[in-house]
Amino acid sequence: DQQVKQNSPSLSVQEGRISILNCDYTNSMFDYFLWYKKYPAEGPTFLISISSIKDKNEDGRFTVFLNKSAKHLSLHIVPSQPGDSAVYFCAAQGGSEKLVFGKGTKLTVNP
Amino acid sequence: GAVVSQHPSWVICKSGTSVKIECRSLDFQATTMFWYRQFPKQSLMLMATSNEGSKATYEQGVEKDKFLINHASLTLSTLTVTSAHPEDSSFYICSGRKGVITEAFFGQGTRLTVV
Repeated sequence: DQQVKQNSPSLSVQEGRISILNCDYTNSMFDYFLWYKKYPAEGPTFLISISSIKDKNEDGRFTVFLNKSAKHLSLHIVPSQPGDSAVYFCAAQGGSEKLVFGKGTKLTVNP
Repeated sequence: GAVVSQHPSWVICKSGTSVKIECRSLDFQATTMFWYRQFPKQSLMLMATSNEGSKATYEQGVEKDKFLINHASLTLSTLTVTSAHPEDSSFYICSGRKGVITEAFFGQGTRLTVV
């Protein structure tokens, strides 16, 4: 049973445009959500997080939106840059210390 | 952000031997450390959660006698893969967290190849 789902395994975007990465969850106990970026053969790097009391959190080019009623969150990257090309993992936490990860979305930003 | 250092970054070992992977939080005290395993094109699979000074909590299906985890201090956790077999070949990643509701910071990962 996959509690955190990233239904798009890959996404390709033109440099300068917006990248939108989506994530759905099923566990209503989740109250903290995070996005991580990962390059091959490296550990994930924390990008941005949001708690369930908010519906938006912005940090530079990265904005995370949370829709609790739909159990959906998204990561917006504007403007997208070639260096943003990586695998992006959505993660959720609630009720315990464990982070539950989605399967990741591979983002490719084309120059 | 905080820094987590993982060592070695890659290791090749013979089948039947044991391998130890270290995870250190360099500039913060990690009250909790996590160990993950990642298969190609798959998500991070949590193997175990460890709190400093106590026994690790293993996820279902993870053999605790095979994957020995020690969290002796607030800055160091180790994962020992005992009697390694080729099917243990994988990418192992650790992470450390300062508190309960904070982001976890990840090490750079260890590529283990058992031949």
